Parts: sequence; C-alpha cells; structure tokens
Amino acid sequence: QQQVKQSPQSLIVQKGGISIINCAYENTAFDYFPWYQQFPGKGPALLIAIRPDVSEKKEGRFTISFNKSAKQFSLHIMDSQPGDSATYFCAASINNDMRFGAGTRLTVKP
Amino acid sequence: NAGVTQTPKFRVLKTGQSMTLLCAQDMNHEYMYWYRQDPGMGLRLIHYSVGEGTTAKGEVPDGYNVSRLKKQNFLLGLESAAPSQTSVYFCASSLTAGRQSPLHFGNGTRLTVT
Repeated sequence: QQQVKQSPQSLIVQKGGISIINCAYENTAFDYFPWYQQFPGKGPALLIAIRPDVSEKKEGRFTISFNKSAKQFSLHIMDSQPGDSATYFCAASINNDMRFGAGTRLTVKP
Repeated sequence: NAGVTQTPKFRVLKTGQSMTLLCAQDMNHEYMYWYRQDPGMGLRLIHYSVGEGTTAKGEVPDGYNVSRLKKQNFLLGLESAAPSQTSVYFCASSLTAGRQSPLHFGNGTRLTVT
C-alpha cells in the first residue's frame, strides 16, 4: 500500500497564482518530510523539507505547511512562474526508508 | 562537478536478457540507492547501500541484484529482464541517512523491455 498519498495528479495554474499540492502519510514514525522537484529528463532535486516539530517552513516563494495531528502536509508555491512547471514529489522518511508520493505535474500558464 | 552519473541513458532489452546499470558519484557519499519511477507510482526503492561492500533490500527488490565494490560506484543488475521492469531507473546518493542528508539523484536510465 502507498504510505504517502499525493494530490492532485496534475495542476494547471496561471502565472502569478498560487499552486497547492497536498500529501498525507500513514506512518507516524516518519521524521522528515522533503519535497522534490523534477524537470523532464532530469532526476528529482530537493526543493524544501520540514521536520514534524515545525508547522510551517518558508523558503522564498515555497512554503511547506505541516499538520502532525492530521498526518498531512502541503506545498504552496506563491506567485507561480512558468519556470516552476515541473513534477513535484512529496516524501516521508525515517532513516534509510524514504517513501515518495505519486507526483504532481504542475503547469504554469503564462 | 559531475555529482551522480548514470550510464547508459537509454536501453532496450528483449525479455530474458540481462544487463547492468552503472551509477557513479564523486561526492564521497556513504549511502547510495536505486529507485524505479513509474507513472502514478512515484519513486520506489529497489536496493540501497550504506557503505562499500554492503547492500540491502528496499521496497521492490525482486528481479534485481546490486553490488557496491567501490565506494563511488553502485551497480544494478537485471539477470532476466521482464516487461514489468520497463521503467525509468534513478540512482541517488547521500552523505548519511535521514533528514540531515538530502538525496542527490542522477538523470536516470530509461529501460524498455520488449
């Protein structure tokens, strides 16, 4: 069974809009929640990450919101740009065990 | 700075054939991983290594073998390829395990098994 569920599968946003991607996890032992960004033909690259003792982390236009009691976390991309068009993966890990969500293909229209 | 390099980039195999995918990293990372990426499934861990000479099974290890004879290299082998192994394979490395050490991925190998 998939331990990290990600939605939506695809997302289209206008330039300047807010992109929101949601993830839910099952294993309460997970202690690290990264988001990876992947461009076509490339490997995923770490975008931003959060620990479960923090409710929000912001880096530039990217923010992770974390709700430990609901076992959910989300990525918000403010002022979305065409260059943000990529596939985004949420993940949850403990030690060597990192589980990825199925991915969200984001398209930002100019 | 090369980071994580995967070879080959593309490969087509017939059912039953064997092949080896090579991953090389130049960051002196201890941990190395092999993932497969399939549509709607995200990335799933096949095998990983916590240091030279060690390997361990991940989430989907069946049909694959690995070896880590040198710290900088991690090989993924398919002894008898099956169409279900058609996928994009990614190698990754990290300095340590857990949240202090992000994964660094290569650019992938697209494998098609006919």
